[in-house]
Amino acid sequence: AQKITQTQPGMFVQEKEAVTLDCTYDTSDPSYGLFWYKQPSSGEMIFLIYQGSYDQQNATEGRYSLNFQKARKSANLVISASQLGDSAMYFCAMREGGTGANSKLTFGKGITLSVRP
Amino acid sequence: EPEVTQTPSHQVTQMGQEVILRCVPISNHLYFYWYRQILGQKVEFLVSFYNNEISEKSEIFDDQFSVERPDGSNFTLKIRSTKLEDSAMYFCASSERWRRALHFGNGTRLTVT
Repeated sequence: AQKITQTQPGMFVQEKEAVTLDCTYDTSDPSYGLFWYKQPSSGEMIFLIYQGSYDQQNATEGRYSLNFQKARKSANLVISASQLGDSAMYFCAMREGGTGANSKLTFGKGITLSVRP
Repeated sequence: EPEVTQTPSHQVTQMGQEVILRCVPISNHLYFYWYRQILGQKVEFLVSFYNNEISEKSEIFDDQFSVERPDGSNFTLKIRSTKLEDSAMYFCASSERWRRALHFGNGTRLTVT
């Protein structure tokens, strides 16, 4: 089974509006972390936001927030007040386990976001 | 802000040749990784490195691949005999602690002809 599922093929949003990018995950480990990364057309991977499985509150970082629904195993990224520079590929990723050695991230397929002026 | 640096940004090589991709992780980070991304596809884990040894590797990371941290600052990925299907963007990443985010370099685009 896929560990990270991102099924939206491509998203469009009007500048200054909010947009939600979906991510569901699959793990039986009680300790895990969820991450979102942005990859603009230039190719670099930019860390946006992190949510730990034991965190009581949804993570926020500036215009980014994570809608974490643990029972549904979803970790959707919400971008408020979209800007043209938000046009990029967005990847959801998960790290499982409580030991340092098993610290890799597993990525979803990504979602393309296009912001319209 | 400290960053992960990768060199070269683009490498072209002939099939069967050896390539070494170089990375300088962030200095106080303890966990190091290589990932690859074939054009337009998902980011795939290759290998993680901690305490001077490989801690995990994927099935992609076969005997043709090796990693080294030769001098305490550089972290290298060697592909001994490149194949056409090795053409991809290779990302190095590092993490301060296991709970922390991975910080990625800008990648090396490897083209095997």
